[in-house]
Amino acid sequence: AQSVAQPEDQVNVAEGNPLTVKCTYSVSGNPYLFWYVQYPNRGLQFLLKYITGDNLVKGSYGFEAEFNKSQTSFHLKKPSALVSDSALYFCAVRDKNTDKLIFGTGTRLQVFP
Amino acid sequence: DSGVTQTPKHLITATGQRVTLRCSPRSGDLSVYWYQQSLDQGLQFLIQYYNGEERAKGNILERFSAQQFPDLHSELNLSSLELGDSALYFCASSAGGAGYMNTEAFFGQGTRLTVV
Repeated sequence: AQSVAQPEDQVNVAEGNPLTVKCTYSVSGNPYLFWYVQYPNRGLQFLLKYITGDNLVKGSYGFEAEFNKSQTSFHLKKPSALVSDSALYFCAVRDKNTDKLIFGTGTRLQVFP
Repeated sequence: DSGVTQTPKHLITATGQRVTLRCSPRSGDLSVYWYQQSLDQGLQFLIQYYNGEERAKGNILERFSAQQFPDLHSELNLSSLELGDSALYFCASSAGGAGYMNTEAFFGQGTRLTVV
């Protein structure tokens, strides 16, 4: 079965510091991976995706993610965190049998001033 | 604006009642997905429709049902409601189909259901 795991419930980082939100996946074959962000009382917003090609994917709001096949990881990164980045972040993988998105449990990012 | 519309935004109802949540997908999207998010919980996949047909079923209770209509909008019906059904219910849509696996899904703003 395909799945993603987000090992950290919460990540705390000071504003201006780099941030990393971790995600590992378990997929047969090549994965289609996604990151979404959820602000309070809002729906999920798409940030970026990895389909094929360059292992470093750039997305919205200055976020990027690094695909690592040997470590089966797809970590979300940002060079300099903003307080406004504080939100709930979800990693997801596409189920190739049904095309539904399978989500991780989410990581709450808290950026302190 | 994602282009996915969910109504109503908020719903307060009593235990034992039945409610219907509505979702209009983005123009052209054939796949519709329903997810449940309880307080401080992750996203639990409920059910997926593709072009009017049920495509995948997740942890959806027997008291819940859904359908996708010919105009591609979808409805999620929740009956015999219990306190534990209080949650945010999200609808998402994507182009769908084998040729569109690399496309992202777009989410509506959700319906917050409170059962009292």
